[in-house]
Amino acid sequence: DGGITQSPKYLFRKEGQNVTLSCEQNLNHDAMYWYRQDPGQGLRLIYYSQIVNDFQKGDIAEGYSVSREKKESFPLTVTSAQKNPTAFYLCASSIDNSGNTIYFGEGSWLTVV
Amino acid sequence: RKEVEQDPGPFNVPEGATVAFNCTYSNSASQSFFWYRQDCRKEPKLLMSVYSSGNEDGRFTAQLNRASQYISLLIRDSKLSDSATYLCVFTSGTYKYIFGTGTRLKVLA
Repeated sequence: DGGITQSPKYLFRKEGQNVTLSCEQNLNHDAMYWYRQDPGQGLRLIYYSQIVNDFQKGDIAEGYSVSREKKESFPLTVTSAQKNPTAFYLCASSIDNSGNTIYFGEGSWLTVV
Repeated sequence: RKEVEQDPGPFNVPEGATVAFNCTYSNSASQSFFWYRQDCRKEPKLLMSVYSSGNEDGRFTAQLNRASQYISLLIRDSKLSDSATYLCVFTSGTYKYIFGTGTRLKVLA
């Protein structure tokens, strides 16, 4: 089955802990993205990567880190520096960065307890 | 002016009704436009791309008005299963997708 797989689907984090959200795609897409969605708000871009070993900050990168060591993988680490991490996190990919359709994984719900 | 504006709704309509949503955008250089559907606590899924000449997919019709900088989505013969939040999406630059906050539709039996 082709698509984007995110894990875990639900994650609880204690304050002060770092957590890593996994994102794997088998669509052979070059571009990958991480978004955050909060109630009543549009998706906000955290980080994006246009190609392996390259990534760029989005609009709300503070408190987050990513890596892109393989084309199919783009994990997101939510660090303790992120002051309000409770949100729905969506990983996405597109064939390239020229405005083609963007596809999403099923999302990860992160709750700080 | 906000990059994108979308009426949050909710739009409560009876089954069989026709309903339309608009979404305005501020970046006149935007090249690609889409409508996505998002169910509660799920990921957004592509409903349809929006082409300059307008396009139709079954009961759904999308249109683009570049002069007035908005896109629209028309749903005919609404079904209960159409109840969802509809997000407008457009591109801004080479990597950036701008997402509306969504319009919530509830189709009533």
